[in-house]
Amino acid sequence: TQLLEQSPQFLSIQEGENLTVYCNSSSVFSSLQWYRQEPGEGPVLLVTVVTGGEVKKLKRLTFQFGDARKDSSLHITAAQPGDTGLYLCAGATNAGGTSYGKLTFGQGTILTVHP
Amino acid sequence: KAGVTQTPRYLIKTRGQQVTLSCSPISGHRSVSWYQQTPGQGLQFLFEYFSETQRNKGNFPGRFSGRQFSNSRSEMNVSTLELGDSALYLCASSMGRLAGGRYNEQFFGPGTRLTVL
Repeated sequence: TQLLEQSPQFLSIQEGENLTVYCNSSSVFSSLQWYRQEPGEGPVLLVTVVTGGEVKKLKRLTFQFGDARKDSSLHITAAQPGDTGLYLCAGATNAGGTSYGKLTFGQGTILTVHP
Repeated sequence: KAGVTQTPRYLIKTRGQQVTLSCSPISGHRSVSWYQQTPGQGLQFLFEYFSETQRNKGNFPGRFSGRQFSNSRSEMNVSTLELGDSALYLCASSMGRLAGGRYNEQFFGPGTRLTVL
């Protein structure tokens, strides 16, 4: 069974601070996706990382995929109240060259950014 | 392009009843996956349908079932509801095949909030 350990579970910071969320596993993933979810809504895809060591930037958000494709991180620079939400990492494994629509999710990080 | 739609958005049922949830994927997407989200367990995979066939299944009891129609729309059914089935049920659509030979991005609907009394 593949597991994704996400930390921290809760993060409460002031506007302007930086933060990092970690996603770790003992399993190798073919790709890893980061989502952000608002209360009562579905997760919204932020980014997909595929290659070991890959770094992607989305404005103030920086996503990194570990060299061994077992871990990933999300770094937010100068957090703003609008960044508040649940952040989820999700890993996918492609079996036999065919993509199966199954994502393994981390437990999520609830981020609160205070003005 | 319209996103993933789910109906109904909210549902209240009593124990022992059954329920059917509906999901319409993004146009052109052939895969629909279903997930259950609860505060205690987080997001857990239920099953995936691709071209009207169940292609993958999670560790849920047989009370949870689904199907997919020729237009890729999918329904999920839960029979003999239990209190523990109260959750946000999410569906996600995707192409169902690897993009660039590497990945398959899933896009989620807003979910159906099911409350079992």
